Amino acid sequence: AQSVTQLGSHVSVSEGALVLLRCNYSSSVPPYLFWYVQYPNQGLQLLLKYTSAATLVKGINGFEAEFKKSETSFHLTKPSAHMSDAAEYFCAVSDMNRDDKIIFGKGTRLHILP
Amino acid sequence: SQTIHQWPATLVQPVGSPLSLECTVEGTSNPNLYWYRQAAGRGLQLLFYSVGIGQISSEVPQNLSASRPQDRQFILSSKKLLLSDSGFYLCAWSAPGGLTYEQYFGPGTRLTVT
Repeated sequence: AQSVTQLGSHVSVSEGALVLLRCNYSSSVPPYLFWYVQYPNQGLQLLLKYTSAATLVKGINGFEAEFKKSETSFHLTKPSAHMSDAAEYFCAVSDMNRDDKIIFGKGTRLHILP
Repeated sequence: SQTIHQWPATLVQPVGSPLSLECTVEGTSNPNLYWYRQAAGRGLQLLFYSVGIGQISSEVPQNLSASRPQDRQFILSSKKLLLSDSGFYLCAWSAPGGLTYEQYFGPGTRLTVT
């Protein structure tokens, strides 16, 4: 069965520093992968998705993620953190047993230090 | 473009009272629909999903139920709320047919059971 592991429930970075949020997945077939962002008391917003095209995926707000099959990873990065990036981030993988479901990781809360 | 609405935005209910949360989607036909719950400090828990009118799949046994009376309307209900039902409830939709997988979320309902 597919699963998603996000390393670190909380990550703190200084404003202007590199943001790196880690996500590893398990899947017996090439999956679709997603990153979502959730601001306080709001719904989730799709940041970017990987659907077996280019391995480096660019999303909104300057974020990007790289699909590495050999490492079964899909880490999210941003070169320079802004205060507005403070939020919770969820990695998700398609459920290849059901074409109508995706499986979410437990989330990583990103804190931006001034 | 597609939009998803949820109401109410916030709700405070006593233990043992009934519950009805509503979700509607505009701008698409025959969407897959989902109800998730986020308890404080925890990730997303899929409660129900529906691939069509009257077709409801339950992921977690509990005192909640879901209905889909119309193509783009999804309702979450309970006859008697428990304290443990408190949380942030999110509705989401995805395109039918399993071509894209990604889900789009509504703004959420904050439920506090007292």
